[in-house]
Parts: sequence; structure tokens; C-alpha cells
Amino acid sequence: NAGVTQTPKFQVLKTGQSMTLQCAQDMNHEYMSWYRQDPGMGLRLIHYSVGAGITDQGEVPNGYNVSRSTTEDFPLRLLSAAPSQTSVYFCASGNNEQFFGPGTRLTVL
Amino acid sequence: AQSVTQLGSHVSVSEGALVLLRCNYSSSVPPYLFWYVQYPNQGLQLLLKYTSAATLVKGINGFEAEFKKSETSFHLTKPSAHMSDAAEYFCAVSEDFGNEKLTFGTGTRLTIIP
Repeated sequence: NAGVTQTPKFQVLKTGQSMTLQCAQDMNHEYMSWYRQDPGMGLRLIHYSVGAGITDQGEVPNGYNVSRSTTEDFPLRLLSAAPSQTSVYFCASGNNEQFFGPGTRLTVL
Repeated sequence: AQSVTQLGSHVSVSEGALVLLRCNYSSSVPPYLFWYVQYPNQGLQLLLKYTSAATLVKGINGFEAEFKKSETSFHLTKPSAHMSDAAEYFCAVSEDFGNEKLTFGTGTRLTIIP
């Protein structure tokens, strides 16, 4: 099993650009989530999904969209990137234990 | 609402000394508590979790934590620090048995002094 995979590992955007952070898992987990990690703030939940076709907002959802068309994939979309979205993004999946991906380091100029 | 407070954003201990990382929680229901470790430029890895089965929880790499309801604490300890323990440690709480929707503390960076 590959576990939780995230692409890309690094990305630089200009303000106003859009992009999609990819997340995939091969463990057949129903629950998937996205967190952002900022210095001194720990990890904060952006969006989560309890199964295909079902998504909900976490603590910091503004500026981000998600969809869950399959059990395996849970992409995170930034429609118009802002410097405040510069962060490290982690995807996680799990049923009784959360497994984290390696992260995507995003810089918005 | 649930929350976690980690006392000390940076902790330094000598190799071979006791490691103590502090975590206090707030939860409106009996909580599920977790400690995660993050090595540089990596994702988070679960060290241990408390799910009400036993108050003293043993995890990987020699770490353990004790749930103390009266003190609302879940401190992480290791009797003898090793250089490989240098990392950032996060305490997290969930009000859901499936430990979904984790609320994390701000993290403690552990440095090991040779």
C-alpha cells in the first residue's frame, strides 16, 4: 500500500491564481480530511469528508473548496490564491486512526 | 468545543534524560486524546492514543502518556531521551470515537542535547 499520497510536494503561486492539491489513499478509508500547518498554530482543519459525495467544513474553510467523487481521492482547490494561504497542507485519511500524507508546501506571492 | 494547550513551544533535554511534554485539554464530552510526532519535512505519525480503555497508554519508540481526568492532562513521557527523538510533537483531541476532526495543540519542538 502507498498509504496517503499528496501532489505536488512544492508549489509557488501568484496572488489570484488557482490550483488543486491532490490527495489519494489506497486503504479504502471513508474519512478523509485536509489540514493546514502554520508556525506556532499547529494544524487546523480545513475540510473533511465522511464518504464519497459527502463533505463538510472544518475550522478554516474560507478560500478552499473540496469534492469527493470517489473513496480514494479528495482534492483541495484554491480558486483565487492569497498570500494568507501560504502554508503546508496535509491530507489525512483513516477510520480509527488518522494517517497523514507527506504534505504540500505552498507559497503564494 | 474542544481545545488543547501544549505548555512550552520548545523543550531541550540531554541525551539519556527524562522527556516530559505537557498537554492539557478541554472537552465537553469524554475525550479521545492523541500524541503525534513530526520529523523534519515529513507528515505526522501517531505515537499513541487514549480511548478510555486504560489511563496509562504506551506508544511507539518508548513513549507513554497518562490520562488524568482530575487535571485534564495527557502528558507525554519517555524515561531516557535518544538523539532520534528530536522532532516536533503535537497533542490532539477528538470528541469522536473514530478520531475524526482532530483539534491540535500548537506543538512542542524537542531538542536533544548530546
